Amino acid sequence: EPEVTQTPSHQVTQMGQEVILRCVPISNHLYFYWYRQILGQKVEFLVSFYNNEISEKSEIFDDQFSVERPDGSNFTLKIRSTKLEDSAMYFCASSRTGGSSTEAFFGQGTRLTVV
Amino acid sequence: AQSVAQPEDQVNVAEGNPLTVKCTYSVSGNPYLFWYVQYPNRGLQFLLKYITGDNLVKGSYGFEAEFNKSQTSFHLKKPSALVSDSALYFCAVRYGGTSYGKLTFGQGTILTVHP
Repeated sequence: EPEVTQTPSHQVTQMGQEVILRCVPISNHLYFYWYRQILGQKVEFLVSFYNNEISEKSEIFDDQFSVERPDGSNFTLKIRSTKLEDSAMYFCASSRTGGSSTEAFFGQGTRLTVV
Repeated sequence: AQSVAQPEDQVNVAEGNPLTVKCTYSVSGNPYLFWYVQYPNRGLQFLLKYITGDNLVKGSYGFEAEFNKSQTSFHLKKPSALVSDSALYFCAVRYGGTSYGKLTFGQGTILTVHP
């Protein structure tokens, strides 16, 4: 069964450093998303991406964050200068269409720890 | 604005007994409702969704959910719980007017099924 894969599973970084979280969405999917979950809190939407541009982003997704699909398969989330409060589980997701009734398929997550 | 509430942080049931995990939602317009399950060290797995039509929706692993518009609820149910059902369950909603797939999640409910 096709699945979304994320690497690495766990990343530890020093405050102020740049990190790139990687995701390989399901191959025939067209819409891509990043969500995050701070420990003990809800899963929160960060950004959606379609046709090589951001479709929607939340207030969390400020100038420190960026996404791209550099090679047609990987979908990356970059945090330019990490802060302690960026520590969270980051989930990538993809869906075949962007319709409201279409379910998204999630990866296993990358646990980011900023020290 | 759309929101989801899962009023119980934890649900404990004995194996073989029916289980219910509660979810209520608030959204303008027609809601699209989803249940996801997360096993340890795994991503969010799609269980089922409500779009329109029958209020009782059947999904994976014997789970079902009942949409109740008057009570704005979408409770997850299973007639006979298994120990292997023990996991973290998330309810999510998407507003029918959103075209880019943003999901709003509840805070999650830990289901523990005792042998």
